[in-house]
Amino acid sequence: KAGVTQTPRYLIKTRGQQVTLSCSPISGHRSVSWYQQTPGQGLQFLFEYFSETQRNKGNFPGRFSGRQFSNSRSEMNVSTLELGDSALYLCASSPFSAGSYGYTFGSGTRLTVV
Amino acid sequence: DAKTTQPNSMESNEEEPVHLPCNHSTISGTDYIHWYRQLPSQGPEYVIHGLTSNVNNRMASLAIAEDRKSSTLILHRATLRDAAVYYCILRDNSGYALNFGKGTSLLVTP
Repeated sequence: KAGVTQTPRYLIKTRGQQVTLSCSPISGHRSVSWYQQTPGQGLQFLFEYFSETQRNKGNFPGRFSGRQFSNSRSEMNVSTLELGDSALYLCASSPFSAGSYGYTFGSGTRLTVV
Repeated sequence: DAKTTQPNSMESNEEEPVHLPCNHSTISGTDYIHWYRQLPSQGPEYVIHGLTSNVNNRMASLAIAEDRKSSTLILHRATLRDAAVYYCILRDNSGYALNFGKGTSLLVTP
């Protein structure tokens, strides 16, 4: 079956702009999580959605937001981009939001802010 | 979430078994032990997870200590494609985030 699909793969934006990233989870998976990965901070949790509801949010400013649609697809938005937002953004999906299930990650969206 | 401790790096020869340790002395009874790995320029990949009993799958084996304060990921025959950062993570059914930490960077030499 198809894996987790993230679009676009690469993105270059200018400081101050906003960006929307998309994630299509594995069919049947209802939990979608987003992570930011940078060389300095490693993998950091952004937020998780389950059945269109945000279940938890990491320690990121309000410029970072997301949503999940009824078909479980998810988007994350970053407004007023800063240079420090340059990172690999990863999406992961799981059947349920529980420790007894593993997550499948997408290949990520590489965002560069100039 | 309880924390895990892993060595920063390990090295192995190709076609030899690799034992990657993880300490989690503050693990709770409901924490599952998850392992993920991340190859260069790719997203993390699920490897295996378990609660109390040892687990095997096509990728690896997970050996869990009887007191559950430590675990070991076992790659039975390392290949060059196993060179990656391996993350040991604890997660219970009420927690939503995977706390990746720094992981162990595995180098496999021919």
